Amino acid sequence: SQQGEEDPQALSIQEGENATMNCSYKTSINNLQWYRQNSGRGLVHLILIRSNEREKHSGRLRVTLDTSKKSSSLLITASRAADTASYFCATDGLGFQKLVFGTGTRLLVSP
Amino acid sequence: NAGVTQTPKFQVLKTGQSMTLQCAQDMNHEYMSWYRQDPGMGLRLIHYSVGAGITDQGEVPNGYNVSRSTTEDFPLRLLSAAPSQTSVYFCASSSDYPVTTDTQYFGPGTRLTVL
Repeated sequence: SQQGEEDPQALSIQEGENATMNCSYKTSINNLQWYRQNSGRGLVHLILIRSNEREKHSGRLRVTLDTSKKSSSLLITASRAADTASYFCATDGLGFQKLVFGTGTRLLVSP
Repeated sequence: NAGVTQTPKFQVLKTGQSMTLQCAQDMNHEYMSWYRQDPGMGLRLIHYSVGAGITDQGEVPNGYNVSRSTTEDFPLRLLSAAPSQTSVYFCASSSDYPVTTDTQYFGPGTRLTVL
């Protein structure tokens, strides 16, 4: 069964706009990670947030975590066409050696 | 460093055939894993290994075998291919324990079609 689900499934915005995508998960976690996947490529790690953290920043990325709601959000500010990709959250809800991925959000940033 | 490499990039099999997907990493990572990615399903963990000689099952292990004789290599064997195994397969590695606190490095993937 899928541990995480991203929302929305697809998002289309213009360059310069902000993009927000959400991840909900089912069981308690210790950590949550976000990955990006460009079309036809492997996944690339973006950011990790621990269960005792509420917010984390990395460049144009801002991640929040609400463990009471079992949800996380990824905000990409001032989007660029190069941000066009699928974005996945991943959690350790099935055990500390098993990283479980959500279903992904497809982001399209138009010039 | 080449990172994580996978071969082949594409493969077409007939039902019942067997094959091995190769995965290698040159980062001296202890942890390696195999995922399959299907449309609308995200990535699902097939098998993983925390070091040479140690493997364990993930979410969807049926129909697949793995072994880890060296730190560098982690091949995935399809014993008798079925159309349901048509998917894109990704290998990943990471250096630290527990793995879920560490960055996973992914290979470019193998696109497998079973007819």
